[in-house]
Amino acid sequence: QVQLVQSGAEVKKPGASVKVSCKTSGYIFIGYYIHWVRQAPGRGLEWMGCTHRHNGAAEYAQRFQDRVTMAVDTSMNTAYMELSSLTYDDTAVYYCARELDTTKGFDFWDQGTLVIVSS
Amino acid sequence: QSALTQPPSASGSPGQSVTISCTGTSSDVGGYNSVSWYQLHPGKAPKLMIYEVNKRPSGVPNRFSGSKSGNTASLTVSGLQAEDEADYYCSSYGGNCNPYVFGTGTKLTVL
Repeated sequence: QVQLVQSGAEVKKPGASVKVSCKTSGYIFIGYYIHWVRQAPGRGLEWMGCTHRHNGAAEYAQRFQDRVTMAVDTSMNTAYMELSSLTYDDTAVYYCARELDTTKGFDFWDQGTLVIVSS
Repeated sequence: QSALTQPPSASGSPGQSVTISCTGTSSDVGGYNSVSWYQLHPGKAPKLMIYEVNKRPSGVPNRFSGSKSGNTASLTVSGLQAEDEADYYCSSYGGNCNPYVFGTGTKLTVL
């Protein structure tokens, strides 16, 4: 069955970086986009970016462009998202999700990774 | 990049129907048939309820339906059940400049 399993919760200091992994199984990894979405406490969902199917090219939301890096390791069927220069506003649950193409919706998600930024 | 506009809350009694709107622009909702709806229960993975405006993934009850008119998409939940109480978010593809945008979210309460 399809599974996306993210790495565990993290506590980081302001200015640090965090790297979240998303290990997938049960489907052909390179056939799907992997999206990263976050939800800060009391806030809505926010799309951060994605890696494209087949070639793994990354595409980012404009507001994260200068401090996020997304990549895939096709040998491990795993996607990664690294966010740098963390501020308190980056405290959120970070989700990975897969999508077949731009119209099919994000059909499988993990339960998310809590990242807390605290001094 | 602005979020799509949803009402903050909606409610209905068991068995009733409720409709949640999602308003964007001609650059996102109005420009593509790529509207999706997601259900969020606390502590659980988000769940895709509707894609391509009005299609249901396998396993989603047919009580859930979607539609679109112009720049506004809608999710209708018919025959409300207690387990439908959750947060709902719409999403749209927005083209190359703003690929994906979510709605502001609606808390659905089953009275």
